[in-house]
Amino acid sequence: QSVLTQSSSASASLGSSVKLTCTLSSGHSSNIIAWHQQQPGKAPRYLMKLEGSGSYKKGSGIPDRFSGSSSGPDRYLTISNLQSEDEADYYCETWDRNSRAFGGGTKLTVL
Amino acid sequence: EVQLLESGGGLVQPGGSLRLSCAASGFIFRNYGMSWVRQRPGKGLEWVSSICASFGCTYYAESAKGRFTISRDNSENTLYLQMNSLRADDTAVYYCAKIKDGAGIDYWGQGTLVTVSS
Repeated sequence: QSVLTQSSSASASLGSSVKLTCTLSSGHSSNIIAWHQQQPGKAPRYLMKLEGSGSYKKGSGIPDRFSGSSSGPDRYLTISNLQSEDEADYYCETWDRNSRAFGGGTKLTVL
Repeated sequence: EVQLLESGGGLVQPGGSLRLSCAASGFIFRNYGMSWVRQRPGKGLEWVSSICASFGCTYYAESAKGRFTISRDNSENTLYLQMNSLRADDTAVYYCAKIKDGAGIDYWGQGTLVTVSS
């Protein structure tokens, strides 16, 4: 069982909002995670750290359109007012003392 | 501005070796843990290895144990990954990444491509 589970794909219209989900496995449901964005052909970029309480802290230069929230083992990334440049793969990451893990990624298509 | 610049990738035959380097700047390198993360063609991100800030404690994914060695030179602000006994399934873009205060990754390098093929 993977520590982090993400849907493989999502789509939403330009200017609308989308909520991506990352689910932590049993035993890890209180973990802090990080969200990363990878635009086509580029290196990943850190978006934010997200706690189980729903508190989040974004990286430098990340637009206000990006926000995070949590519910139980689920960690969410919400993107509002979708732009064409938001079309990308989105990965969640978690860690413990000895290792770290990534979700399989969600490919977001902006229609 | 934090910058991570990988080098050392290339084409290597199965069973061969390669050493990746990552030159860091824009932050106090010796104060932060670092990681290597790879991405096979068309696939997702996969953690490979991490190293602590000062005491040099090291951690490896199962796929890397016994074959890869992570190290750092805090005087040169450089992270390394020595890869031995390379296999075709090690073919990937390898990213150097800075760890934020014992938490998640907060900066990524641009990546270096390693191709293992005869």
